[in-house]
Amino acid sequence: AQSVTQPDIHITVSEGASLELRCNYSYGATPYLFWYVQSPGQGLQLLLKYFSGDTLVQGIKGFEAEFKRSQSSFNLRKPSVHWSDAAEYFCAVALTNTGNQFYFGTGTSLTVIP
Amino acid sequence: GAVVSQHPSRVICKSGTSVKIECRSLDFQATTMFWYRQFPKQSLMLMATSNEGSKATYEQGVEKDKFLINHASLTLSTLTVTSAHPEDSSFYICSAASNYGYTFGSGTRLTVV
Repeated sequence: AQSVTQPDIHITVSEGASLELRCNYSYGATPYLFWYVQSPGQGLQLLLKYFSGDTLVQGIKGFEAEFKRSQSSFNLRKPSVHWSDAAEYFCAVALTNTGNQFYFGTGTSLTVIP
Repeated sequence: GAVVSQHPSRVICKSGTSVKIECRSLDFQATTMFWYRQFPKQSLMLMATSNEGSKATYEQGVEKDKFLINHASLTLSTLTVTSAHPEDSSFYICSAASNYGYTFGSGTRLTVV
């Protein structure tokens, strides 16, 4: 069965420090990969997505993610975290880029300390 | 880009009553919409896939008679929580697929008292 794993439930980083959020997936084929951010009580905002091509994708707010097929991973990174980045981050996969449902990871809660 | 409007954003209802949540695609047609539920401190779980003009497909463990989904047009899907109970209190989010990819609504916070 397909699954999406985010090993880190909660991460705390200092403002200005670098960040990496892990995501691993289990699928028979390479799915479409996404990272979303959710602020408290809010909906989801797409940070970036990978469909094909260059395995390093750039997103909004200075985020990037790298798809590694050999590791079935799609880790999210940011070189320098800002206090406003504190939120819940979800990795998600879909079997097609449209017309199919998402499967979400359990999320990683990010706390940023001054 | 594609915009999905979800309404209401917050609703409080009494136990035993029904609540309807609307999900509209504003500038595109969505033949398929998805409904998710998110409990506090947890991830989003797919409840059902809503297809325009046909019956919704429910995920295992989701009661179709309790969570009624109607997708009568290409721009509107509704989720009705019938005979709501406090354990139905949750954050419900819809999404729609388009040429832009997946777009999520802003969510509905349901509190059943």
